[in-house]
Amino acid sequence: GENVEQHPSTLSVQEGDSAVIKCTYSDSASNYFPWYKQELGKGPQLIIDIRSNVGEKKDQRIAVTLNKTAKHFSLHITETQPEDSAVYFCAASYTGGGNKLTFGTGTQLKVEL
Amino acid sequence: EAQVTQNPRYLITVTGKKLTVTCSQNMNHEYMSWYRQDPGLGLRQIYYSMNVEVTDKGDVPEGYKVSRKEKRNFPLILESPSPNQTSLYFCASSRRFDGLKETEAFFGQGTRLTVV
Repeated sequence: GENVEQHPSTLSVQEGDSAVIKCTYSDSASNYFPWYKQELGKGPQLIIDIRSNVGEKKDQRIAVTLNKTAKHFSLHITETQPEDSAVYFCAASYTGGGNKLTFGTGTQLKVEL
Repeated sequence: EAQVTQNPRYLITVTGKKLTVTCSQNMNHEYMSWYRQDPGLGLRQIYYSMNVEVTDKGDVPEGYKVSRKEKRNFPLILESPSPNQTSLYFCASSRRFDGLKETEAFFGQGTRLTVV
């Protein structure tokens, strides 16, 4: 089955700096890669996603890049703000797979003032 | 408001005492799943359902049961809970893939279960 590895497990940045979280996947059949943000005491919430036929996608301060050949994808957050502090999860799935998501182990991002 | 509702939010129980965690969604989604979240392990899928009366095992199904008698409800049943099932549980739902784009998974607020 699919295996998703995520690094780093913790990340501390200064407000205004950029943050990058990286994930690798193992199953070449995976073609959908969402990123979820989990705030304390809440369930994960989708923040951005990318399909395998796209190399990069951007939404305001958040961007995701995908290297299908190398089987890795990354989340980039620019101009970080205190409200970006949360746990971030990457995930992988394939079309028609019952929407089954295989998650990475999570990254605790802390944005310091 | 579109949402996935889990109950209870917190539960402490004893080993062997059967319990049910309920999950309900109001978005008419076909797909529903249960995940458990453990430190350092991320979220792992327990069971999923693609529609009413259709369920299948995820990655960590041992010790759990589910049922999907109605489209909106997907309860998680622990027949004989053990301490290794102490975890944070999430229910999620999403629309069926329509051939054009994947659909977002919506998660509940979570149920923190402690088995002593």
